[in-house]
Amino acid sequence: AQTVTQSQPEMSVQEAETVTLSCTYDTSENNYYLFWYKQPPSRQMILVIRQEAYKQQNATENRFSVNFQKAAKSFSLKISDSQLGDTAMYFCAFMKQGDDKIIFGKGTRLHILP
Amino acid sequence: NAGVTQTPKFQVLKTGQSMTLQCAQDMNHNSMYWYRQDPGMGLRLIYYSASEGTTDKGEVPNGYNVSRLNKREFSLRLESAAPSQTSVYFCASSRQGALNTEAFFGQGTRLTVV
Repeated sequence: AQTVTQSQPEMSVQEAETVTLSCTYDTSENNYYLFWYKQPPSRQMILVIRQEAYKQQNATENRFSVNFQKAAKSFSLKISDSQLGDTAMYFCAFMKQGDDKIIFGKGTRLHILP
Repeated sequence: NAGVTQTPKFQVLKTGQSMTLQCAQDMNHNSMYWYRQDPGMGLRLIYYSASEGTTDKGEVPNGYNVSRLNKREFSLRLESAAPSQTSVYFCASSRQGALNTEAFFGQGTRLTVV
């Protein structure tokens, strides 16, 4: 069974700094998707970034980028020039291609300090 | 485009009462999910449905039943609520097989069982 581990329950950084959130996963599959979701205090779940395992190039979305290390089964999220609005819970998630289950980590609560 | 709509947003139940959480999506997705979110536990999959007429257990199915009424709707039923079922419940949907697959979430239901 696939598992997703986020080893940092909570983090705080100053506004404008860069922060990296860690995620590791365990799978024997070769084809899968990885996601980072953001959950602000509003409780809404928002997709931040997606990575297909067959792509070697790391995904980027504006200030958000990932470091995808397939061999190490690592999928970290880097937030550059952090903003107060980035304060949220961040979840790493895994979906095997062709499967229907999406497995989430326990989340990292990120505080951006003014 | 409403996306994923779940009702109600808040509910208080007495131990032993029953209720059904409703979920509907208008994105023509084949896969739908029910998760519960608890502090420090992340999102845990209760049940999922790969297509109309099929349902499968997730990580924490005990105490719940589901119905995939049609392609749009996926309901979650608590037959006899227990305080351990106090949680925030999320419905989600996704389109399997799409290159840009991702899960779309409803706004969540905060359920308190007293």
